[in-house]
Amino acid sequence: GIQVEQSPPDLILQEGANSTLRCNFSDSVNNLQWFHQNPWGQLINLFYIPSGTKQNGRLSATTVATERYSLLYISSSQTTDSGVYFCAVDNNTDKLIFGTGTRLQVFP
Amino acid sequence: DAGVTQSPTHLIKTRGQHVTLRCSPISGHKSVSWYQQVLGQGPQFIFQYYEKEERGRGNFPDRFSARQFPNYSSELNVNALLLGDSALYLCASSLGSGNTIYFGEGSWLTVV
Repeated sequence: GIQVEQSPPDLILQEGANSTLRCNFSDSVNNLQWFHQNPWGQLINLFYIPSGTKQNGRLSATTVATERYSLLYISSSQTTDSGVYFCAVDNNTDKLIFGTGTRLQVFP
Repeated sequence: DAGVTQSPTHLIKTRGQHVTLRCSPISGHKSVSWYQQVLGQGPQFIFQYYEKEERGRGNFPDRFSARQFPNYSSELNVNALLLGDSALYLCASSLGSGNTIYFGEGSWLTVV
């Protein structure tokens, strides 16, 4: 099956810093989503981005499907950005395969 | 608009008991899927239903079962609970394959 790896596994930032999270996947996929899991466990959609680039406020994401990776960029980080970031992929099956996650801690 | 809703939010069960978790998808969404997330790991796919038919099943024992009702809501049932079934159970819905998948807040299950 498809393997999804994320890096770095852990990231500690001071408020205001920028960061880039990476997601590598082992095979072609049709869909890719980025999620933020808050401390209460809820998975919040950030981007649905099987290819190309999207931006939403301080967050942006780029997926290069031909090279099998996606990047999530967080600018001017805030303490509320803390949590675990997951990328997940599927091949039009609604069976998401999640990556290993990046745990982000932002300190004031 | 209401998002994906799940109930109960928290529950504690004893080994050997049975549990039923419920999920209501976003209005108009016909695809519902279930995931198990144990502490420190990413969610693992359990089941997917579309138009009341099972479309996919993950690597989980037969103690796990699910169904989807005519109104597209869904139940996840787990029999003969084990300590290792303690996890966050997440329900997700979408319009169908190839669309954004949205998750509920989850049901925290503790087996003692």
